[in-house]
Amino acid sequence: GEDVEQSLFLSVREGDSSVINCTYTDSSSTYLYWYKQEPGAGLQLLTYIFSNMDMKQDQRLTVLLNKKDKHLSLRIADTQTGDSAIYFCAESWGSGAGSYQLTFGKGTKLSVIP
Amino acid sequence: SQTIHQWPATLVQPVGSPLSLECTVEGTSNPNLYWYRQAAGRGLQLLFYSVGIGQISSEVPQNLSASRPQDRQFILSSKKLLLSDSGFYLCAWSAGQGDTEAFFGQGTRLTVV
Repeated sequence: GEDVEQSLFLSVREGDSSVINCTYTDSSSTYLYWYKQEPGAGLQLLTYIFSNMDMKQDQRLTVLLNKKDKHLSLRIADTQTGDSAIYFCAESWGSGAGSYQLTFGKGTKLSVIP
Repeated sequence: SQTIHQWPATLVQPVGSPLSLECTVEGTSNPNLYWYRQAAGRGLQLLFYSVGIGQISSEVPQNLSASRPQDRQFILSSKKLLLSDSGFYLCAWSAGQGDTEAFFGQGTRLTVV
């Protein structure tokens, strides 16, 4: 079955870059996502990348996809204390126009040190 | 604009008691609806999804059930809660036709004691 793995913790200093890594197993994934979960809150989509892309940049966020190695990363430039949260990697799977099912990793807790 | 409401935010229930968590979506029609669970130390797990009224698909065998009595209402239920049902439950919706983004509710933290 589908499996998404990511490291559980990451600690960086304010102003440095953060890189959160993720590996997945389903080679038929169509989209890969990064979601952010702040304490006590639901999930918020940060960015996503289509599986035929290698890179996507959105302001301070850069997503890199190595489809051959099934490796996805999220780089946050100039990390701020407000970036402290849990970041989930996810892949979409499922068939049919009406289905949209995500497989999530366990989440990486990013702690930003002032 | 579209919004998703999920309640209650926190819930403490004794073992063996029933459960009903409600989720409603506003500002869109015919959404795909989902229930996810985030258990301690584990990733998010899809429990149920629905592509229309009365259409429920279950991803994992469990003590829970879901219903969709109206287009924008999704209910997660249990007749008798188990300790293992404790967790953080998230409702989500996405537009039909394979849209790329799912929008999540604020979640319900359920503690079964």
